[in-house]
Amino acid sequence: RKEVEQDPGPFNVPEGATVAFNCTYSNSASQSFFWYRQDCRKEPKLLMSVYSSGNEDGRFTAQLNRASQYISLLIRDSKLSDSATYLCVVRSSASKIIFGSGTRLSIRP
Amino acid sequence: DAGVIQSPRHEVTEMGQEVTLRCKPISGHDYLFWYRQTMMRGLELLIYFNNNVPIDDSGMPEDRFSAKMPNASFSTLKIQPSEPRDSAVYFCASSLGRGHQPQHFGDGTRLSIL
Repeated sequence: RKEVEQDPGPFNVPEGATVAFNCTYSNSASQSFFWYRQDCRKEPKLLMSVYSSGNEDGRFTAQLNRASQYISLLIRDSKLSDSATYLCVVRSSASKIIFGSGTRLSIRP
Repeated sequence: DAGVIQSPRHEVTEMGQEVTLRCKPISGHDYLFWYRQTMMRGLELLIYFNNNVPIDDSGMPEDRFSAKMPNASFSTLKIQPSEPRDSAVYFCASSLGRGHQPQHFGDGTRLSIL
């Protein structure tokens, strides 16, 4: 079993829709969690950190469920520019950082 | 603020040649990571340094790969001799070790070995 698992997608949704994806992790000692976004042929860029109480940044909401060991990302009112691959990142120590393989999202007009 | 700076952006070379990729981390960051990304394998961690010291190089594919960090502001990843299967995008990332700090990535080096 992979330490961090994501549904690879692709998720293909219409503009304006709400879309959500999860990421599960196996190490219960994991301490910090992030969502990154990667556009085609570009570097991964930090989208948002994920806090225990859940957090929101505009149209994006991240949640952490420690009991079930997953994090989620919800995108409301999706835009064409949201099309990208979303990478889940789990950090269990300063140096042990695991990237998920990413979920591809495609927003259609 | 300057981000992580990598060079070159693109490299095309013939198999058997030596390739050197360069990275300048964000000033003050004490961790530096080298990754390789391909369609087949996704993002793979090759090696990381803490305070210029290599900590874990278990991701380095084989002896043809080596990495150094002579000081806090510079690291290199070298492939010698290069092979076509080394073709990939190589990313360097840096972070602060303390706290829940995320990694910041450079633009990557797109490497093609012919």
